Amino acid sequence: DAGVTQSPTHLIKTRGQQVTLRCSPISGHKSVSWYQQVLGQGPQFIFQYYEKEERGRGNFPDRFSARQFPNYSSELNVNALLLGDSALYLCASSLMTRANTEAFFGQGTRLTVV
Amino acid sequence: DAKTTQPNSMESNEEEPVHLPCNHSTISGTDYIHWYRQLPSQGPEYVIHGLTSNVNNRMASLAIAEDRKSSTLILHRATLRDAAVYYCILRRPTSSGNTPLVFGKGTRLSVIA
Repeated sequence: DAGVTQSPTHLIKTRGQQVTLRCSPISGHKSVSWYQQVLGQGPQFIFQYYEKEERGRGNFPDRFSARQFPNYSSELNVNALLLGDSALYLCASSLMTRANTEAFFGQGTRLTVV
Repeated sequence: DAKTTQPNSMESNEEEPVHLPCNHSTISGTDYIHWYRQLPSQGPEYVIHGLTSNVNNRMASLAIAEDRKSSTLILHRATLRDAAVYYCILRRPTSSGNTPLVFGKGTRLSVIA
C-alpha cells in the first residue's frame, strides 16, 4: 500500500513568490494535516482538514492557506514567500481526527526561499 | 495545551535497552500520551500511545506512572536504525475531534555500535 505522498520533494523559490505543495493521503484516510518544520525544531501545526472542511488552524499568517479535494488529497499554498518560510513541510493523514488516532506522515517537501 | 519535558539528547549502546523519559506534570485526565520518532531525512512516524495502562507493541513499550505525570518509552534492544529524534506528545480529545499533534524539540537518541 502506498503511504502518504508529497510533491514536489524539493523546490527553490524567490522571496515574494507563491508556492503550492501537494499531498495524497493513504487510501481511506479522510483527515489531512500540514506541519512546518524548521531546522532544529519539531514540526509545527499549520492546518487540519477532515472531509474537505477545515477543522483546525495553527498560529500562521494568512499567507498560508490550504484546501482538501473530494478525493481527500490536499494542497498547501503559501503566498508572498519570506526567507523564514524555508522549511520542511510535512503532510500527515489519518482515518479521523480523534486523539487516539495514529497519524501517518509523508517524507515532506523541502522548500528553500532565496 | 499541557506541555511535555524531555532531555535534549541521550546515548545508548547497540543491543542495550533504552529508557526515554518524558515529564508531563500538567496532564489532564483525558490526555493521551503519544510517542513519535523522526529518523534522519524522514517524516515522523508513530511509535506508541497510551492513556493510563502500560502498553506494548512490536516497536516499543510505554510505561506510564501511576499519577500520569511522567512516562517512559522503552526500546528493548536498541539498533542503529533506532537513532532518531523521539517526541513525547499529549493529545486531548475535543468535541470537534480536532487534535493536532503538538511537537516539542524531542530527545535525540544516538546509538553507538
